[in-house]
Amino acid sequence: SQKIEQNSEALNIQEGKTATLTCNYTNYSPAYLQWYRQDPGRGPVFLLLIRENEKEKRKERLKVTFDTTLKQSLFHITASQPADSATYLCARFTGGGNKLTFGTGTQLKVEL
Amino acid sequence: DAGVIQSPRHEVTEMGQEVTLRCKPISGHDYLFWYRQTMMRGLELLIYFNNNVPIDDSGMPEDRFSAKMPNASFSTLKIQPSEPRDSAVYFCASSRWGGAYEQYFGPGTRLTVT
Repeated sequence: SQKIEQNSEALNIQEGKTATLTCNYTNYSPAYLQWYRQDPGRGPVFLLLIRENEKEKRKERLKVTFDTTLKQSLFHITASQPADSATYLCARFTGGGNKLTFGTGTQLKVEL
Repeated sequence: DAGVIQSPRHEVTEMGQEVTLRCKPISGHDYLFWYRQTMMRGLELLIYFNNNVPIDDSGMPEDRFSAKMPNASFSTLKIQPSEPRDSAVYFCASSRWGGAYEQYFGPGTRLTVT
């Protein structure tokens, strides 16, 4: 089965530092990987999408990389702020349907 | 646009009762997805529709769960009879281009079955 795994341990970092979250997948490479942010009591919010033929995607302070050799995607938030504190979910799409498989998410806490 | 609308936001019911969750997708979005989120299993896809037609319901846990989409602006997820293990947050999401592309999630319905 196609699995997607995120570090279940919370990540605590200091304001201003770069946060790096990891998403690992098994079996064959997903055609797309998506990253979402989820705040407590709310639905996930789409952040970025990266295709398997793209190495890197950026949006403001966010950067996503896709390494098909390592079967891994990294999600970076530069100059992190307390407002970035949330749970971040990655999701894989592998084609042949319209389904996304989500990881369990990594909770990020940015401290002053 | 108001975004994806779900109702109710919270539902508390007793085991054995029927529960109906409602969703209004974003206008113009051809895909609608129902998810369930729990601490143990994370976010799981239950069923999705394309142009109001159910395409894949392989994630629906049991026959007690059913979903309908009578028109482009309304969908329901029904659980009958409900059980305590159905307690979770249920999300509806919609997408213009399908699961490969960004999905817009509603605020969710927190269901508690006692």
